[in-house]
Amino acid sequence: DGGITQSPKYLFRKEGQNVTLSCEQNLNHDAMYWYRQDPGQGLRLIYYSQIVNDFQKGDIAEGYSVSREKKESFPLTVTSAQKNPTAFYLCASLRQGGTEAFFGQGTRLTVV
Amino acid sequence: RKEVEQDPGPFNVPEGATVAFNCTYSNSASQSFFWYRQDCRKEPKLLMSVYSSGNEDGRFTAQLNRASQYISLLIRDSKLSDSATYLCVFLFSSNTGKLIFGQGTTLQVKP
Repeated sequence: DGGITQSPKYLFRKEGQNVTLSCEQNLNHDAMYWYRQDPGQGLRLIYYSQIVNDFQKGDIAEGYSVSREKKESFPLTVTSAQKNPTAFYLCASLRQGGTEAFFGQGTRLTVV
Repeated sequence: RKEVEQDPGPFNVPEGATVAFNCTYSNSASQSFFWYRQDCRKEPKLLMSVYSSGNEDGRFTAQLNRASQYISLLIRDSKLSDSATYLCVFLFSSNTGKLIFGQGTTLQVKP
């Protein structure tokens, strides 16, 4: 079955460590997105990519980095420069010209 | 001005009530419009797309007003199972592909 997979579901890290969140899709979608959601808040766009080897900053890109070396994969690195990294991270993909974004199940990152 | 503004609620309504949510957008490059539903601690899922002519899916009606730059969602005959957070979503013009979510409106339907 086609879908989008995020791993791990729960992640704990010590303050000051970089951590990479995985996002893989086998839907052959061109566009991929990373969002952050804090309790009681909506989704805020971190980075997005329309094609391989290209990506754009979203509204809250500071302290994050991404790569898009393959169409299927869009990993997000939360760096030590991110002041408040504890959050729920969601990855999504969208077909070019499509009308529905598909989401992974999310990664809950806790930095202690 | 925020790109998307949405009343966070919460909206507390009795079963059977009709409830409406609005969402305004400031970027006229918005190309496509959607309503998503998010249950607690889960990923958002598409509820319905929003078309210029308005569209209906059972108890749910979505409308788009390009002149005033807002979309709306109407839920008739609310059910307990409608309790969730409803997110408006905007896809900007295809050459940027930016997909923006509203803050979400929480709906609680009570018996």
